[in-house]
Amino acid sequence: EDKVVQSPLSLVVHEGDTVTLNCSYEVTNFRSLLWYKQEKKAPTFLFMLTSSGIEKKSGRLSSILDKKELFSILNITATQTGDSAVYLCAVEASNTDKLIFGTGTRLQVFP
Amino acid sequence: GAVVSQHPSWVICKSGTSVKIECRSLDFQATTMFWYRQFPKQSLMLMATSNEGSKATYEQGVEKDKFLINHASLTLSTLTVTSAHPEDSSFYICSAKGIKETQYFGPGTRLLVL
Repeated sequence: EDKVVQSPLSLVVHEGDTVTLNCSYEVTNFRSLLWYKQEKKAPTFLFMLTSSGIEKKSGRLSSILDKKELFSILNITATQTGDSAVYLCAVEASNTDKLIFGTGTRLQVFP
Repeated sequence: GAVVSQHPSWVICKSGTSVKIECRSLDFQATTMFWYRQFPKQSLMLMATSNEGSKATYEQGVEKDKFLINHASLTLSTLTVTSAHPEDSSFYICSAKGIKETQYFGPGTRLLVL
């Protein structure tokens, strides 16, 4: 059975800290891995990763994929209170176009 | 970027009534639309996948007679929760995907059944 596992489940940090969120997966017919940020509404897209070892970067956020070890990390540097959210990892299967979501990591950043 | 809208944003209804939720892709043609449900503090669970002009494919454990999906055009899909009960209260999110595109999510619809 396909599955996506995220860790930690929850994280509380102070502003300015750097955090690393983990996502491991077991999915047949892997196409891509996606990261989303979810506040009170629907998820907003952060990154899509398809190739190993190529870092994607957007401001203070960056992500990388390891297709050999079947995991990805999402880094957030110099965290701000606005980074507080649930971060979701999802893997897209090529044969179905479906997204398989992990349970998410709830990040709380305190001033 | 691609925009997906959902209507309504919030709905409160009495037990036993039916509720229709619309999902529209505003600036692209969505060959496939997906419907998800999310309970509090849980992740998104895929309910069904719909392709324009064909019947939806439901995930295991999702009652197709209760959750009616219609993908009438390349920009519109509807989810009807028939005879809603309090346990159907949830956050319903659609996503839309064009050819060679990733999935773009709508803003979600919160359903509360009293």
